[in-house]
Amino acid sequence: DVKVTQSSRYLVKRTGEKVFLECVQDMDHENMFWYRQDPGLGLRLIYFSYDVKMKEKGDIPEGYSVSREKKERFSLILESASTNQTSMYLCASSLTGDFTGELFFGEGSRLTVL
Amino acid sequence: GENVEQHPSTLSVQEGDSAVIKCTYSDSASNYFPWYKQELGKRPQLIIDIRSNVGEKKDQRIAVTLNKTAKHFSLHITETQPEDSAVYFCAASKRNTGFQKLVFGTGTRLLVSP
Repeated sequence: DVKVTQSSRYLVKRTGEKVFLECVQDMDHENMFWYRQDPGLGLRLIYFSYDVKMKEKGDIPEGYSVSREKKERFSLILESASTNQTSMYLCASSLTGDFTGELFFGEGSRLTVL
Repeated sequence: GENVEQHPSTLSVQEGDSAVIKCTYSDSASNYFPWYKQELGKRPQLIIDIRSNVGEKKDQRIAVTLNKTAKHFSLHITETQPEDSAVYFCAASKRNTGFQKLVFGTGTRLLVSP
């Protein structure tokens, strides 16, 4: 089974803090994604990566950055957390790069910014 | 860009009844339509998908239909069981600068009562 592991299930941070959310997958997938999940808004793509050191903006990249230094690891960075970034963050990976393959999601990281 | 609308936002049925969730998409170039199920506190998981060269696909009690002319697709669950209770997300995939970008609907919370 594909395993996508997110480092923190729950985080509480203060406004202005730098936040790192880390994701590791164990299936040698080329492609990794960060989504944000909010009630009534569904899943929205923040960033994705199709190769090491490669990244593409999704639909809501503002206020976020990402890092992919190794194939198995994809990090989401909030340079200066704000209260409107309080949300559930989901990492995913997939074998194919064209969004027509199955996405394997992590358990999610619930971030609260005070 | 692509827009996916999903209805209803909540759906309550009695065990054994059928449930139907409908999605519409805006971009006629979209050609891949997956459905994800997210149980409470769990990660989203792919349950079925359909591509634009197919009108219907079945897998046991679930089926998805696609009407390309009307740009809508639906998830059908027959003989619902309490374990079908979850949030269901539809999605549509369209190509964007070499990558097909998956856009999710806002989700439907299905509650199956015994």
